[in-house]
Amino acid sequence: NAGVTQTPKFRILKIGQSMTLQCTQDMNHNYMYWYRQDPGMGLKLIYYSVGAGITDKGEVPNGYNVSRSTTEDFPLRLELAAPSQTSVYFCASSYSQGTGELFFGPGTRLTVL
Amino acid sequence: AQSVTQLDSQVPVFEEAPVELRCNYSSSVSVYLFWYVQYPNQGLQLLLKYLSGSTLVKGINGFEAEFNKSQTSFHLRKPSVHISDTAEYFCAVSEGKTSGSRLTFGEGTQLTVNP
Repeated sequence: NAGVTQTPKFRILKIGQSMTLQCTQDMNHNYMYWYRQDPGMGLKLIYYSVGAGITDKGEVPNGYNVSRSTTEDFPLRLELAAPSQTSVYFCASSYSQGTGELFFGPGTRLTVL
Repeated sequence: AQSVTQLDSQVPVFEEAPVELRCNYSSSVSVYLFWYVQYPNQGLQLLLKYLSGSTLVKGINGFEAEFNKSQTSFHLRKPSVHISDTAEYFCAVSEGKTSGSRLTFGEGTQLTVNP
């Protein structure tokens, strides 16, 4: 199993550009999440999904959108990129809500200039 | 609402010394508690978790943590660290099954093990 994969690994965007961060998991997990990690701030939940076709906002959703058309894929869309969105983005998945064990991807480092 | 405070942002230690990384949490209900580890340029991975039962929890790589309900703490310990333990460690909390995987993370503790 590849686990959780994310592409791209690195990206530089100009202010106002848009992009999609890809996330795929091959563990048949129903639950998927997008976090951003900023230095000294821990991880903040952007969006999450409890299954195909169902998404909901997390703690910091502004400036982002998600979709979940399949169990495997959970892309994160940035519209009108801003310098405040410079961060490392992690996708994660889990098989239940009870145990809290999240499986993380390797991350995407995004810089907005 | 739940919250987590990691009391030390950086902990430098020498190899083979013991280490304790401190974590306090705040919640109005029963909680599940977790420690995750992040090695450089990697995603996070689960180190150990407390869901119920014994308050002393053992995890991977010789780490353990003790849940103290009265102190609302979940400190992580290892009796003898190795260079390879250098990483960032995150404490996390969730408020039970209805939000079990919607974790709230602490700000992280950078553990640096020096030779």
